[in-house]
Amino acid sequence: KNEVEQSPQNLTAQEGEFITINCSYSVGISALHWLQQHPGGGIVSLFMLSSGKKKHGRLIATINIQEKHSSLHITASHPRDSAVYICAVYGGATNKLIFGTGTLLAVQP
Amino acid sequence: DAMVIQNPRYQVTQFGKPVTLSCSQTLNHNVMYWYQQKSSQAPKLLFHYYDKDFNNEADTPDNFQSRRPNTSFCFLDIRSPGLGDAAMYLCATSSTGGSREQYFGPGTRLTVT
Repeated sequence: KNEVEQSPQNLTAQEGEFITINCSYSVGISALHWLQQHPGGGIVSLFMLSSGKKKHGRLIATINIQEKHSSLHITASHPRDSAVYICAVYGGATNKLIFGTGTLLAVQP
Repeated sequence: DAMVIQNPRYQVTQFGKPVTLSCSQTLNHNVMYWYQQKSSQAPKLLFHYYDKDFNNEADTPDNFQSRRPNTSFCFLDIRSPGLGDAAMYLCATSSTGGSREQYFGPGTRLTVT
C-alpha cells in the first residue's frame, strides 16, 4: 500500500464544475505539497501547507492533520486546468518528499 | 523572476554516449534535487545536494553522477545512457530555513536512441 494515496485516479469534469481531489497519507508529516503537471511538462508547486487552509485564485487546499487527509478544490473549472495533480508529503523516516499516485483531471468545454 | 532553469528542455543522445543535463537557480536555495520521472510514474529522487554535501539515494545507479560547482548550478551526468534511462529529468530546489517548499524546473526530456 502506498504511503500517499489519492482519489480519484482519473476525473473528467465539465467546464465550470467544482472539483475535489483527495489525498490520504499514512506517515507522520511535516508538510504537504499539492503539485500540478501538464502532460509532458514540468511540475508546478500549487501549495505547501502544514495546517488549515490556503487559497490561491480558484484553487483551495485544506489539510486535516489528525485525520491525515488533504483536499484540493478547484472552483469554476476550466479546460486549462486539465493536468495531473500530485499530492506529496514531507514525512516518513527520511523526511523526504513522498509522492502520491496522481490524479489525471480532464475538464471538457 | 526568481526561478529554476533547466537546459536543454529536450535532449537526444545515443546509447552509451555520455550526456550532461544542466540546472540553474536564482532563488539562492541551498538544497538542489535531481528526480527521474518515467511515463505515468511519480518522480523518483536520484540524489540531492545540501550545500556542497552530496546525498545519493541507495538505489540510484552508478551510471548517474552529479556535480554542483556553486550554489546556482547543478549538473546531472549520465555516463553511459541505456534505453531505460529515457525519462523526464526534473531539478528542484528548496531552502532549509523556514518553508521547505520545493520549486521545480520545467524538466529535460531525455531520449536515448
